[in-house]
Amino acid sequence: KQEVTQIPAALSVPEGENLVLNCSFTDSAIYNLQWFRQDPGKGLTSLLLIQSSQREQTSGRLNASLDKSSGRSTLYIAASQPGDSATYLCAVSPYNTDKLIFGTGTRLQVFP
Amino acid sequence: DTGVSQDPRHKITKRGQNVTFRCDPISEHNRLYWYRQTLGQGPEFLTYFQNEAQLEKSRLLSDRFSAERPKGSFSTLEIQRTEQGDSAMYLCASRGLAGTWETQYFGPGTRLLVL
Repeated sequence: KQEVTQIPAALSVPEGENLVLNCSFTDSAIYNLQWFRQDPGKGLTSLLLIQSSQREQTSGRLNASLDKSSGRSTLYIAASQPGDSATYLCAVSPYNTDKLIFGTGTRLQVFP
Repeated sequence: DTGVSQDPRHKITKRGQNVTFRCDPISEHNRLYWYRQTLGQGPEFLTYFQNEAQLEKSRLLSDRFSAERPKGSFSTLEIQRTEQGDSAMYLCASRGLAGTWETQYFGPGTRLLVL
């Protein structure tokens, strides 16, 4: 059974810091891995999607890496801003199914 | 607005009542998904449709839950005889058939509180 774990569960940092959020998964048989952002009481917004054949994806100040063989992904946020405050969720898309399996998220607070 | 929409956004009900939620996917998206998210947890998969066919259901979807997508467009999720444990955010998502390189697009969710 695929399990997705995210560390840390919560993070509070001053504005301007570079951050690393971690995601691990137990079964490497995946099509892709995605990082989502969720603001309080809202739906999810996709940030980055990494195909299983790729090693990383970048969008602006965000960079996500994938090491499928070790079951790990990291989301790097450069020069954090208060507007980055949200919960970040990692999700994998397992083979032979079309569903996403999510981790429990990392709640990030960036203070001025 | 061409995003995924859900109605209602909030629902408060008493234990034992039935509730129904609606999801309107992005136009021409063939696949529609339902997830449930409880406080402090990530979303958990409930079921998904390709057009009007329900292709997979989670074991979380007990006999009290039923989902439909009668014309392959909008979908409804009904919970019968609600229980306090059903209190959660119910999220809907949709996706086209572009393959595994396309994300699922999520709606704003329906927050259910069962008293």
